[in-house]
Amino acid sequence: EAQVTQNPRYLITVTGKKLTVTCSQNMNHEYMSWYRQDPGLGLRQIYYSMNVEVTDKGDVPEGYKVSRKEKRNFPLILESPSPNQTSLYFCASSSAGQNTEAFFGQGTRLTVV
Amino acid sequence: AQSVAQPEDQVNVAEGNPLTVKCTYSVSGNPYLFWYVQYPNRGLQFLLKYITGDNLVKGSYGFEAEFNKSQTSFHLKKPSALVSDSALYFCAVRDKARYRIGAGNMLTFGGGTRLMVKP
Repeated sequence: EAQVTQNPRYLITVTGKKLTVTCSQNMNHEYMSWYRQDPGLGLRQIYYSMNVEVTDKGDVPEGYKVSRKEKRNFPLILESPSPNQTSLYFCASSSAGQNTEAFFGQGTRLTVV
Repeated sequence: AQSVAQPEDQVNVAEGNPLTVKCTYSVSGNPYLFWYVQYPNRGLQFLLKYITGDNLVKGSYGFEAEFNKSQTSFHLKKPSALVSDSALYFCAVRDKARYRIGAGNMLTFGGGTRLMVKP
């Protein structure tokens, strides 16, 4: 089954403790992205990657890092999480091309206390 | 810059009645437009997209959307709402011009509209 898998689904952590949210897709997609969803703000893009070793900032990159060492994986790293990073995070992937739709993971609900 | 506006936080409809969820967009070039639906505790699911051609686009679960270039709108519609349609709906845009200059496949989303269909 074609899917985007994120882990964990739920995470509660403390301020300053580094964490990684993993994302993996099995569709051989070139593009992968991370979004955060906050009430009333919709989804805002954090980082995206157009292919292996090619990443770039989205609209809200501050406080986040990503890497793309393999085509299928695109982990999101929070080096020093803060409470304002409490949010619902989604990973998405799509094939190359202007008109392709994105496939989304189930989401990771992160709480930073 | 590209942007999307969904002017209604919530739309209430009675089951069996037609529904419309509104979306307007702003891009510098020509748009690719998308609708996604999010059910509780789930990721976003693709419903339909406008690329080019016919302004009326048909998608999953009986939904359709009408692209109106002069009004820069892409409203989501369904002739007869079901209780199971109750969910959060997101409109998204991708600017063709921005894609060409290497901004990847960035989608810009609206704030979302919660659709409540009552029996």
